[in-house]
Amino acid sequence: AQTVTQSQPEMSVQEAETVTLSCTYDTSESDYYLFWYKQPPSRQMILVIRQEAYKQQNATENRFSVNFQKAAKSFSLKISDSQLGDAAMYFCAYRSAMGENNDMRFGAGTRLTVKP
Amino acid sequence: KAGVTQTPRYLIKTRGQQVTLSCSPISGHRSVSWYQQTPGQGLQFLFEYFSETQRNKGNFPGRFSGRQFSNSRSEMNVSTLELGDSALYLCASSFRTGRLNYGYTFGSGTRLTVV
Repeated sequence: AQTVTQSQPEMSVQEAETVTLSCTYDTSESDYYLFWYKQPPSRQMILVIRQEAYKQQNATENRFSVNFQKAAKSFSLKISDSQLGDAAMYFCAYRSAMGENNDMRFGAGTRLTVKP
Repeated sequence: KAGVTQTPRYLIKTRGQQVTLSCSPISGHRSVSWYQQTPGQGLQFLFEYFSETQRNKGNFPGRFSGRQFSNSRSEMNVSTLELGDSALYLCASSFRTGRLNYGYTFGSGTRLTVV
């Protein structure tokens, strides 16, 4: 079974600085998708960025970028120029692209605090 | 484009009662998944519905059930509520393709408290 591990329960960053959140996953599959979701206190999970495993190029979305290391099964999220609104729980998630019955697997989350 | 709508936002129920939660997906999304989120267990998959059929089910007791209607709206039901069922229940819709290459869009969740 696929598992997702986020080893940093909490992280803190100064406003305008850069922070990297770590994520590793375990799978024997070669075709899958990886995601980072943000959950602010409002509770709604918001998709931050998505990576397709068969694409070597790392995904970027404005201030958010990933470092996808397929061989190492690592998928870290870098937030540049951190803003107060970035404070939230961040979840790394995995979803297989194979078959039809594939739920999304989530890590335990990393709580990010942004200091003014 | 309207987002995923979950109702109600909050619920307080007594042990032994049953509860029904509702989720309306994004227009055009035919796949609806349900997750339970608790501080101790994190996000746990309950089930997924696609075109009114349950496609996948997580490891939850039979007290947890769901269904999907022809307009893709979905409901989940929990019978004989236990204190441990207190959680945030999240619904997620997705545009399902042959390669499942889209992520979920989540609703704001229903906070269920069992007393």
